[in-house]
Amino acid sequence: SVLLYQKPNRDICQSGTSLKIQCVADSQVVSMFWYQQFQEQSLMLMATANEGSEATYESGFTKDKFPISRPNLTFSTLTVNNARPGDSSIYFCSSSLGGETLYFGSGTRLTVL
Amino acid sequence: GQQVQQSPASLVLQEGENAELQCNFSSTATRLQWFYQRPGGSLVSLLSNPSGTKHTGRLTSTTVTKERRGSLHISSSQITDSGTYLCAMERSSSFSKLVFGQGTSLSVVP
Repeated sequence: SVLLYQKPNRDICQSGTSLKIQCVADSQVVSMFWYQQFQEQSLMLMATANEGSEATYESGFTKDKFPISRPNLTFSTLTVNNARPGDSSIYFCSSSLGGETLYFGSGTRLTVL
Repeated sequence: GQQVQQSPASLVLQEGENAELQCNFSSTATRLQWFYQRPGGSLVSLLSNPSGTKHTGRLTSTTVTKERRGSLHISSSQITDSGTYLCAMERSSSFSKLVFGQGTSLSVVP
C-alpha cells in the first residue's frame, strides 16, 4: 500500500488569496491524482500529475486556476489561485502502485470567505 | 458526459440486516471500484471488479459491464459500517479516467 499525507487538513482563507495544498507519498508513485469533493456530493477528478511533466487537467479545471507541481515521485502541490467561495470544498490527492487499488490522502477542507 | 448513478441515495438498516447498493453507468467501463468514506473522512478502497463477482469479508461486488451495472452487497451489517459508499467507473485501464457516483449514505442502527 501507499500512504498519502496531505497538509493542511483544513484552511480558511479570504477571497482573492491563493493557497497551497501539499501531498507527500511514503513511496514513489508514477501518477498522483487530485480530486475535488463538494459537501454530500461526488468526487470530481481535477487533474493527473506525473513527475517532470505538466499536469493533465479535466474539463472545468485549468492550470491557471489550479496549478499543480510534481517535482519528484513522492510529492505534489495543488495551488488554488484567486480563491472564491465556490472553491470551498474538500481536496484529495490520490495514487496507486500500479495495481487495482487507489489510495487517498486524508483530504484538505478549504473554506473561502 | 460520463455518468454514474447510485441507488438508493440513503439507507437505514438495523444491525444484522443485509444491504444491496446499486451502481449504473452510462458508458463502457473497464472496471468498477467501490470506496467507503466516513463523514468528513478520507476514502478507503473496498473492492475493484472488472466483471463477475468478487468477495472480501462481508462484502460482495457484482459487475455486469455489458449491462452497465454493478452492485455491492453488505451482509450482516454492523454499526461501524455506517458511512458513504461510493461507486466509481474506470473508463480506461488506468485510474486517470475515474468517474464517481454520488454515493449511498448508509446508517446502521442498533
